[in-house]
Amino acid sequence: QKEVEQNSGPLSVPEGAIASLNCTYSDRGSQSFFWYRQYSGKSPELIMFIYSNGDKEDGRFTAQLNKASQYVSLLIRDSQPSDSATYLCAAYSGSARQLTFGSGTQLTVLP
Amino acid sequence: DAGITQSPRHKVTETGTPVTLRCHQTENHRYMYWYRQDPGHGLRLIHYSYGVKDTDKGEVSDGYSVSRSKTEDFLLTLESATSSQTSVYFCAISPGTGHTGELFFGEGSRLTVL
Repeated sequence: QKEVEQNSGPLSVPEGAIASLNCTYSDRGSQSFFWYRQYSGKSPELIMFIYSNGDKEDGRFTAQLNKASQYVSLLIRDSQPSDSATYLCAAYSGSARQLTFGSGTQLTVLP
Repeated sequence: DAGITQSPRHKVTETGTPVTLRCHQTENHRYMYWYRQDPGHGLRLIHYSYGVKDTDKGEVSDGYSVSRSKTEDFLLTLESATSSQTSVYFCAISPGTGHTGELFFGEGSRLTVL
């Protein structure tokens, strides 16, 4: 069974701090990785994706991938109360043509 | 806005009744998906479609069927609803030409089976 594991949280950080969200995956065949943000009662929205080892930055968001350790993370710099949401990690395997989601980490940014 | 609408947005039904959820898209994307989301389980794929009349099963397809007779519509049917199918159902599209992890979701349909 292919799995994507996330700490469910809740994770609380003060406004302006760096929030670090982590994800591990079991399928070494996974090729690409996605972070979705889901506000309470809303649908998930894609915020970042990463394919290669290393870091990928987009504004206040940085995705990090370490395929050897099967580890993906999302850093949110200068966290804002509007970042309070559940963050879903997902891993895609092209060979299996399967996208597997983690159960999400709930983030609260305290004003 | 990916032009995805789901209907109904909320439904309460009784065990044993049939239920159909509709997903409508306006941008002629080839790939469409139905997911369910439950606490502690994240999003799980029920069925997906890769074209008109082309569908395949996902991780949790038992008790569900789908149909896609037009590019823009993807229907999810519960032939005989059970309480275990109480969930939030999301339709999604992939804007690419094949399977990817880049998905755009509809607003969701909350189904309660009593």
